[in-house]
Amino acid sequence: NFMLTQPHSVSESPGMTVTISCTRSSGNIASNYVQWYQKRPGSAPTIVIYEDNQRPSGVPDRFSGSIGSSSNSASLTISGLKTEDEADYYCQSYDTSNQVFGGGTKLTVL
Amino acid sequence: QITLKESGPTLVKPTQTLTLTCTFSGFSLSTSGLSVAWIRQPPGKALEWLALIYWDDDKRSSPSLKSRLTITKDTSKNQVVLTMTNMDPVDTATYYCAHRPEQRQGWHYWGQGTLVTVSS
Repeated sequence: NFMLTQPHSVSESPGMTVTISCTRSSGNIASNYVQWYQKRPGSAPTIVIYEDNQRPSGVPDRFSGSIGSSSNSASLTISGLKTEDEADYYCQSYDTSNQVFGGGTKLTVL
Repeated sequence: QITLKESGPTLVKPTQTLTLTCTFSGFSLSTSGLSVAWIRQPPGKALEWLALIYWDDDKRSSPSLKSRLTITKDTSKNQVVLTMTNMDPVDTATYYCAHRPEQRQGWHYWGQGTLVTVSS
């Protein structure tokens, strides 16, 4: 089984760009798609990126995803930060038997 | 329109068995490629995948909880049921069910979640 490691927290100012990383502990990050979820207190998670870099309908194009094979990690980039983007963000991937979530990253927009 | 809703007890005692039901609409779990999962979040902690069931009744469970979990589906009722035995205070969490639609990875649809507290 593998783990996904995220930074505990990141912060940035409104209008700026922030990138959150998600590093896979074993196995190739490119072998299985990575998804990203936004989680606000008191609300269910919502998916903001699926299949590494696809945006569901309704998610603004300020949100983008990528993977980097050299670092064995995935990244979520949010540009033009808004205060409403302040939330916890979780990466998620899978293998043939398991679904795995990262530990989450708290994004503060200040 | 796809919706999911969790139901079950809000309070269980240690050692008891928890039974949660996910009732959904807008899709049929008899359709090829579809699946429903259970995911939880303890207060102040990360999301944790618990179990999932596929349209063909194939099932997967978290290795760390496998011995305590059972997931079943009732296609005629549009329901997925999760049972977790030997509940402990550390199992206090908001429990979510979620749906992965056809041809796409990721959990795209989520229920509102239900908070389960384990306490004597």
